[in-house]
Amino acid sequence: AQSVSQHNHHVILSEAASLELGCNYSYGGTVNLFWYVQYPGQHLQLLLKYFSGDPLVKGIKGFEAEFIKSKFSFNLRKPSVQWSDTAEYFCAVTARNSGGYQKVTFGTGTKLQVIP
Amino acid sequence: DSGVTQTPKHLITATGQRVTLRCSPRSGDLSVYWYQQSLDQGLQFLIQYYNGEERAKGNILERFSAQQFPDLHSELNLSSLELGDSALYFCASSPNYGLAGPVYEQYFGPGTRLTVT
Repeated sequence: AQSVSQHNHHVILSEAASLELGCNYSYGGTVNLFWYVQYPGQHLQLLLKYFSGDPLVKGIKGFEAEFIKSKFSFNLRKPSVQWSDTAEYFCAVTARNSGGYQKVTFGTGTKLQVIP
Repeated sequence: DSGVTQTPKHLITATGQRVTLRCSPRSGDLSVYWYQQSLDQGLQFLIQYYNGEERAKGNILERFSAQQFPDLHSELNLSSLELGDSALYFCASSPNYGLAGPVYEQYFGPGTRLTVT
């Protein structure tokens, strides 16, 4: 069964600090990878996605993520965080289930708090 | 605005009751997903429908059921409600074509906040 691990549950950073949030998945086949963000009181929105090609993908608001297949990882990074990045971040993986349909699995989320 | 609508926004009900949550996907999206988000359990995938048929099941309790109608809107039915069912319930949609075809990201609705007292 596929699973997604986000080891950092709560991260506190000062503005301008660099950010890296870990995401590891367990699935041996072809996967598609996503990072979603949930700002306080809002619904989840897509930050970035990886389907194929360049393993370094750039998303909105200066975020990027790198797919390292050998490590089953898809870590999210931002060189300099802002107070407005305070939110919960979710990593998600899709892969085909035994019936051939795409099954999505979300990580447990990482709450990021940025201190001005 | 993602284009996914959910009603009602808030729902307060008593233990033992039954409620129905409604979701309208983005125009043209065939897949609908339901999630439960609570403070202690985080974001939990419940169930997915594609063009009216159930396609994947997650941590959905037997007291919960869902369906997707011919017009593609979906309903999540929660019965014999317990205090622990209090949560935010999200619906998401995507154009995923099921067995074959490309994979798309999901578009989330604003959620329904359910409070069981």
